[in-house]
Amino acid sequence: IAGITQAPTSQILAAGRRMTLRCTQDMRHNAMYWYRQDLGLGLRLIHYSNTAGTTGKGEVPDGYSVSRANTDDFPLTLASAVPSQTSVYFCASGLGAGYNEQFFGPGTRLTVL
Amino acid sequence: AQKVTQAQTEISVVEKEDVTLDCVYETRDTTYYLFWYKQPPSGELVFLIRRNSFDEQNEISGRYSWNFQKSTSSFNFTITASQVVDSAVYFCALSGPRDDKIIFGKGTRLHILP
Repeated sequence: IAGITQAPTSQILAAGRRMTLRCTQDMRHNAMYWYRQDLGLGLRLIHYSNTAGTTGKGEVPDGYSVSRANTDDFPLTLASAVPSQTSVYFCASGLGAGYNEQFFGPGTRLTVL
Repeated sequence: AQKVTQAQTEISVVEKEDVTLDCVYETRDTTYYLFWYKQPPSGELVFLIRRNSFDEQNEISGRYSWNFQKSTSSFNFTITASQVVDSAVYFCALSGPRDDKIIFGKGTRLHILP
């Protein structure tokens, strides 16, 4: 059982380029989430999806977009990357609703130059 | 608004010492849920525990214990007889009854020195 996979593991990207971070889960969880982790700021929610076909904005959504065409996949797109988007990105999934824990992927380390 | 404060940014203790990680939360909900996650050096976050606001019993799991005090809005985490493998960043988190998402604290980096 893979749980949650993220790709790529790491990426160096030129500013202005478009980039999609991939996230796939095999636990049939309804809810999926994208976070970024920055030193001193902890984990901040970018976007989330309660179920396939729906998405919502988190704390820091600007510059990012997501889609949820099916239960398993939840890609995060940076339309035009900027250096401030240099971060470690974590995808997570869960049963949804606040009382359920979330399960995290291994993360993607993104550097925008 | 919901908020989680982990005042200890970084802690270092010598192996076998006990250590407590503090977590203070703010919420207007009467029903809420508290979590602790561990992020070892490998980077992947690992779920440790969930606590419901209506269950104030403390929890013990091996060397780990959690002290939930509604009166002080705290949910502290104690590691007894710490080991080097406990070195990690620990996150406390909070969610409400209808929330779609969890609010994380900024984390406490714990160093266990051999």
